[in-house]
Amino acid sequence: AQKVTQAQTEISVVEKEDVTLDCVYETRDTTYYLFWYKQPPSGELVFLIRRNSFDEQNEISGRYSWNFQKSTSSFNFTITASQVVDSAVYFCALSAYSPSGAGSYQLTFGKGTKLSVIP
Amino acid sequence: DAEITQSPRHKITETGRQVTLACHQTWNHNNMFWYRQDLGHGLRLIHYSYGVQDTNKGEVSDGYSVSRSNTEDLPLTLESAASSQTSVYFCASSEGRGTPYNEQFFGPGTRLTVL
Repeated sequence: AQKVTQAQTEISVVEKEDVTLDCVYETRDTTYYLFWYKQPPSGELVFLIRRNSFDEQNEISGRYSWNFQKSTSSFNFTITASQVVDSAVYFCALSAYSPSGAGSYQLTFGKGTKLSVIP
Repeated sequence: DAEITQSPRHKITETGRQVTLACHQTWNHNNMFWYRQDLGHGLRLIHYSYGVQDTNKGEVSDGYSVSRSNTEDLPLTLESAASSQTSVYFCASSEGRGTPYNEQFFGPGTRLTVL
């Protein structure tokens, strides 16, 4: 079975600080996909990024960057120069084959990390 | 613009009542999903569908049912609401058919309280 662990339940940083959100995953599948979603205080879930298991290149998008390391089964998310608008709950998720149910791919979410950016 | 909507946005009901939460998407996506979000648990999959007439149980399906009679809608029914089903419910959809790599687009959520 697949599992996603976000060990940091809550993080508080002062505006302009850098912050890294950790994500560790478990799966026996060799083909899988990793995602990050953002849930701002308004409640909707917003897709941020997708990575497949064959692509270990790090990615940068503006102030956001993602570090995917298969050797440590981690897919960490860094926000550089944090802003108040970054305050949200961030979810890491894994899509891998699940033999239970219909025997299909299912998206498994971590429990989320609540980030508070203090002005 | 294509979107995914949920109704109602807030619902209060009593234990034992049947409740149906609506989900409607205009992307013409084959895949649709229902999740519940609870503090300390993140999002957990209730049911999902890869197309019309296809439904499958997720991790926490007991006490819930879904039906898929068209591409756009996947209503979630609580047969006999229980206080343990007080939660925020999210509907989502994605492209393809059972494809694992497409991002899911989420609705705004329905906050359900069972008294």
